[in-house]
Amino acid sequence: KNEVEQSPQNLTAQEGEFITINCSYSVGISALHWLQQHPGGGIVSLFMLSSGKKKHGRLIATINIQEKHSSLHITASHPRDSAVYICAAPSNTGNQFYFGTGTSLTVIP
Amino acid sequence: DSGVTQTPKHLITATGQRVTLRCSPRSGDLSVYWYQQSLDQGLQFLIQYYNGEERAKGNILERFSAQQFPDLHSELNLSSLELGDSALYFCASSVVIAGELFFGEGSRLTVL
Repeated sequence: KNEVEQSPQNLTAQEGEFITINCSYSVGISALHWLQQHPGGGIVSLFMLSSGKKKHGRLIATINIQEKHSSLHITASHPRDSAVYICAAPSNTGNQFYFGTGTSLTVIP
Repeated sequence: DSGVTQTPKHLITATGQRVTLRCSPRSGDLSVYWYQQSLDQGLQFLIQYYNGEERAKGNILERFSAQQFPDLHSELNLSSLELGDSALYFCASSVVIAGELFFGEGSRLTVL
């Protein structure tokens, strides 16, 4: 079993739809990270959160530490949101990260 | 722009050759991670350095080695290259261990 599990693997949405990507982890963590990988390959950090909820524009990330579960929501999705979204959890020592396999999102105009 | 610089961006070489990938972390970041991403695969952790010291190793092949220099830049050396080593190699840095990660644009290696 992977330390970090993501679902769904692939997601296609119509422009404007509300999107949810889920992440479950089995390791004890200090914080969970959400990353976005653009079609060109570049990776950017979206959120790092250890409790509650964080919001940045149309993106919202939530985490439930007790249930070891996090969600990434995208409101009013847009074709430019099309990317691979990856959740990542640091190991107990923090010296490495465990990555989910990613969710490939395609938003259709 | 994440502030992390990776060179070269693209590299094409032949089997059996040796290449060096270079990473300059963001100013002030002490932690450097190297990852490999093969086609349609997830990120695979290779190795991590913190302030010049190796802190963790992932599934890094013996043909691969890395180091972090006093100025905190890092190099990943790949030798005796095989076709299966073709991949995107990312470097990421953070201020502290397990802190927010900032990724370079990656070095795309093609082994022919």
